[in-house]
Amino acid sequence: DGGITQSPKYLFRKEGQNVTLSCEQNLNHDAMYWYRQDPGQGLRLIYYSQIVNDFQKGDIAEGYSVSREKKESFPLTVTSAQKNPTAFYLCASSIGQGNTEAFFGQGTRLTVV
Amino acid sequence: AQKITQTQPGMFVQEKEAVTLDCTYDTSDPSYGLFWYKQPSSGEMIFLIYQGSYDQQNATEGRYSLNFQKARKSANLVISASQLGDSAMYFCAMRDDWSSARQLTFGSGTQLTVLP
Repeated sequence: DGGITQSPKYLFRKEGQNVTLSCEQNLNHDAMYWYRQDPGQGLRLIYYSQIVNDFQKGDIAEGYSVSREKKESFPLTVTSAQKNPTAFYLCASSIGQGNTEAFFGQGTRLTVV
Repeated sequence: AQKITQTQPGMFVQEKEAVTLDCTYDTSDPSYGLFWYKQPSSGEMIFLIYQGSYDQQNATEGRYSLNFQKARKSANLVISASQLGDSAMYFCAMRDDWSSARQLTFGSGTQLTVLP
């Protein structure tokens, strides 16, 4: 079945450590996105990529980094520079054109301990 | 800049009744899309319904319909015949068709609880 797979589902990190969240899609979508969700709030865009080897900052990119070496994969690294990393992270993909919805993964819940 | 406003943090509805979740938006772009997503407690975002800014008719998908009032900049979601499984967080989102990023801008959500 086609879809988006995020791993791990739960992640614990010590302060000062970098951690990488995985996002893989087999929908053959060009565009991929990372969103952050805090309790009681909507989703905010961290980074997006519309094509391999290219990505752009979203609204809250500070303290995060991404790569897009393959069409299927868009990993997100939460660096030690991110002051409040505890949140729910959602990866999404879309065709990238036309009136189509974005498809989301199951999310990764990151907790800093 | 785009903005989505959902003014109802929480809503309750009796099973089998209809419920309307409010959404207003703000944009200066002439072409845009409006989306509703459902987020159960498990966390995944489930696409429900889409409305394009130039669509003449309100979108419908099964028990979901979108009450689109362009002049008022509102895109309310109507769920008919509510079921217990409809209990979830609901997000209204918008995408500017002119934006190169084509990302979705989300509202803060409405927590819907269906009562038996």
